[in-house]
Amino acid sequence: DVKVTQSSRYLVKRTGEKVFLECVQDMDHENMFWYRQDPGLGLRLIYFSYDVKMKEKGDIPEGYSVSREKKERFSLILESASTNQTSMYLCASTELAGGYNEQFFGPGTRLTVL
Amino acid sequence: AQTVTQSQPEMSVQEAETVTLSCTYDTSENNYYLFWYKQPPSRQMILVIRQEAYKQQNATENRFSVNFQKAAKSFSLKISDSQLGDTAMYFCASDTDKLIFGTGTRLQVFP
Repeated sequence: DVKVTQSSRYLVKRTGEKVFLECVQDMDHENMFWYRQDPGLGLRLIYFSYDVKMKEKGDIPEGYSVSREKKERFSLILESASTNQTSMYLCASTELAGGYNEQFFGPGTRLTVL
Repeated sequence: AQTVTQSQPEMSVQEAETVTLSCTYDTSENNYYLFWYKQPPSRQMILVIRQEAYKQQNATENRFSVNFQKAAKSFSLKISDSQLGDTAMYFCASDTDKLIFGTGTRLQVFP
């Protein structure tokens, strides 16, 4: 079974702090994604990566950056956390991007920025 | 641009009954894919069912089936013989060049 893990289930940070959210997948998937989930807005794509050291902006990249130094690990970085970044963050991976391919999700990190 | 609309924020159904969740989408592409994902409370999102747009036959996975109306751009999910474990948030999604999600429908199954 594919397993996608995220470093924290719950995280509380202060405004202005630098925040790292880590995601690891164990199925050698090429493609990894970071989404943000908010009530009434569904899931919105922040960034994705098709390969090591490769990244592409999604629909809402402002205020975020990412890092993919190893194939299995994809990190989301909030350079200076703000209260409007309080949200649930979901990581996902898939063998082939797009089309019929299932995305496998992590359990999510609920981030609160005070 | 792709859009996915789920017009039912919340629904409820009694155990063993059938419920249908609605989804409409908009895309200018001819070839695309449609999905229903399930997010149980405090658990990971998982794929329920998927459909290729060029296939006219509706997809079925055990108690879950879809009603795919391509001309109407409609992709509803029918859950038959509802079980307590079906209680979850359900997201409809479409994929042409990337996966776009709807806003979700929270389904509560009552005993």
